[in-house]
Amino acid sequence: AQSVTQLDSQVPVFEEAPVELRCNYSSSVSVYLFWYVQYPNQGLQLLLKYLSGSTLVESINGFEAEFNKSQTSFHLRKPSVHISDTAEYFCAVTSNDYKLSFGAGTTVTVRA
Amino acid sequence: NAGVTQTPKFRVLKTGQSMTLLCAQDMNHEYMYWYRQDPGMGLRLIHYSVGEGTTAKGEVPDGYNVSRLKKQNFLLGLESAAPSQTSVYFCASSNTQVASGANVLTFGAGSRLTVL
Repeated sequence: AQSVTQLDSQVPVFEEAPVELRCNYSSSVSVYLFWYVQYPNQGLQLLLKYLSGSTLVESINGFEAEFNKSQTSFHLRKPSVHISDTAEYFCAVTSNDYKLSFGAGTTVTVRA
Repeated sequence: NAGVTQTPKFRVLKTGQSMTLLCAQDMNHEYMYWYRQDPGMGLRLIHYSVGEGTTAKGEVPDGYNVSRLKKQNFLLGLESAAPSQTSVYFCASSNTQVASGANVLTFGAGSRLTVL
């Protein structure tokens, strides 16, 4: 079984400032890792994923996440946020089956 | 291009009433899932299906039943609603196993259920 811990429930940040959302996982086997984003009153959308290969993965809107096996982490970062990045972000993990385990979520509020 | 459609979007029930949430996908996906989302707990898997006619239990299946009689539809039923089932319910579907590398879960917009 696997589990996910998102270390911050709320992250307020000013526009154009950097942001980091922390995610740690536990699993006894190899894992696949994901970040999903949920904008207000919408369903979840895939932001980025790590399956294998390069430990640094990027999304089309400037987010990146780095898989660190020794620290069992998959932190999400963006060097400069926009108002439109206000959303809830979920880290998720699976170990080679159909089911994702989600973290509790981190709410990012971007202020002008 | 509808994707995943959930009905109803909102519902208020009294304790003990029954209801069914409908999830429909038009992408010919094999796998379908029902999650519930509660504050501070993220999404928890209730039941899932790996194909037409199959269902399986997730993390929190108690108090819910599901059916997948048609490939495009996945129904979630509450036989006797309880206040603890007040939540936002999300349906999702995918066309492959996660391990294939191509898996992307497509989510519906959610169904907000309140049980009084």
